[in-house]
Amino acid sequence: GAVVSQHPSRVICKSGTSVKIECRSLDFQATTMFWYRQFPKQSLMLMATSNEGSKATYEQGVEKDKFLINHASLTLSTLTVTSAHPEDSSFYICSARAGTENSPLHFGNGTRLTVT
Amino acid sequence: QKEVEQNSGPLSVPEGAIASLNCTYSDRGSQSFFWYRQYSGKSPELIMFIYSNGDKEDGRFTAQLNKASQYVSLLIRDSQPSDSATYLCAVNPTGANSKLTFGKGITLSVRP
Repeated sequence: GAVVSQHPSRVICKSGTSVKIECRSLDFQATTMFWYRQFPKQSLMLMATSNEGSKATYEQGVEKDKFLINHASLTLSTLTVTSAHPEDSSFYICSARAGTENSPLHFGNGTRLTVT
Repeated sequence: QKEVEQNSGPLSVPEGAIASLNCTYSDRGSQSFFWYRQYSGKSPELIMFIYSNGDKEDGRFTAQLNKASQYVSLLIRDSQPSDSATYLCAVNPTGANSKLTFGKGITLSVRP
């Protein structure tokens, strides 16, 4: 149980275009999902907390107008990287909990974004 | 600032040995503790979680928690080359609105 599905797994886009990444909880409902970014050989960096039916909460330094998050249902959150630039190339990973606040986070398989 | 610290590593052990991974945290009120394994180019996967002081065993893995000393560790017995990965310690601090704080991770290499 507690499967988080994320796609696409890889995407290559041209600079200036937008890319949408989907994150789904397959066998549980997630009122909250978390979006992380990871650069090579670095640790996970929390970008934002996605809340079903309300606005996302962004971490300091993350541009909310550039990284648009929509959490329209209890099983789906999307992250849209708008006007992508090469410096946005990274590994984006979503996660969610199947239980209470103290239960583990389960991660999607991640999306490798390359902006050319 | 609430912090989670892990040894910088890398850690290298021979196959069959016990690998000991350590983690300390700053928020004394933290309630839940997690170890994730991350293979290169992949997303983290949950290995163990622990909530109470003491040891928790699952197969070759044992998580140890000492809240008084604010450390949590992961022991891997009979280490295998397939255990070679980066191990992330994560803590759920108090008042964090469910956001986990991750350590920077330690890379384990198991030599055949």
